[in-house]
Amino acid sequence: NAGVTQTPKFRVLKTGQSMTLLCAQDMNHEYMYWYRQDPGMGLRLIHYSVGEGTTAKGEVPDGYNVSRLKKQNFLLGLESAAPSQTSVYFCASSHDRLAGAGSYNEQFFGPGTRLTVL
Amino acid sequence: RKEVEQDPGPFNVPEGATVAFNCTYSNSASQSFFWYRQDCRKEPKLLMSVYSSGNEDGRFTAQLNRASQYISLLIRDSKLSDSATYLCVVTIASGGYQKVTFGTGTKLQVIP
Repeated sequence: NAGVTQTPKFRVLKTGQSMTLLCAQDMNHEYMYWYRQDPGMGLRLIHYSVGEGTTAKGEVPDGYNVSRLKKQNFLLGLESAAPSQTSVYFCASSHDRLAGAGSYNEQFFGPGTRLTVL
Repeated sequence: RKEVEQDPGPFNVPEGATVAFNCTYSNSASQSFFWYRQDCRKEPKLLMSVYSSGNEDGRFTAQLNRASQYISLLIRDSKLSDSATYLCVVTIASGGYQKVTFGTGTKLQVIP
């Protein structure tokens, strides 16, 4: 049981290059998320998915696209990387989430991808 | 005003000391509250949930004050292994989804 895994762990891109970050989870979670973490900014939600074939925008979606073709995988794409996208990217997953007061399921995070855009 | 605010620290405390962190939130409709722990260059991991009545897990005690809109984390008998960044997490229902907001974290350094 690997939990949440992310590939690659590190990557250096030049401005304008594209890449895809892969997140995989083996906990049969419905919900998956992509965050970025920058110094002094905390974790910010980029995109999320509530199930296979569905995606939605988070707080900072510009410059990123996502896909959830399989329940266990959530891909984050950068079509044309910019230096402002230099960050640590975390993927997370959780069980079904219920709307309404007091409902929450723990988010399990992957180890992160450190991306530098030159 | 930020949705969730934390003192970034660092809090430098000797082993065995008691240390407390607060986290304030701006939206009174916030529903669930948590503390996550993040070690240097690692992913965040859930430390504990924060319940209205307060809750304790070993040396850790979490409390919620809805009237003043803050949550707290108390660590007793600090260990070197407690050195980490502690993230406050607040959720609120938004369009059928629980919007989750992370604080920027409070750094704790326990000194021998």
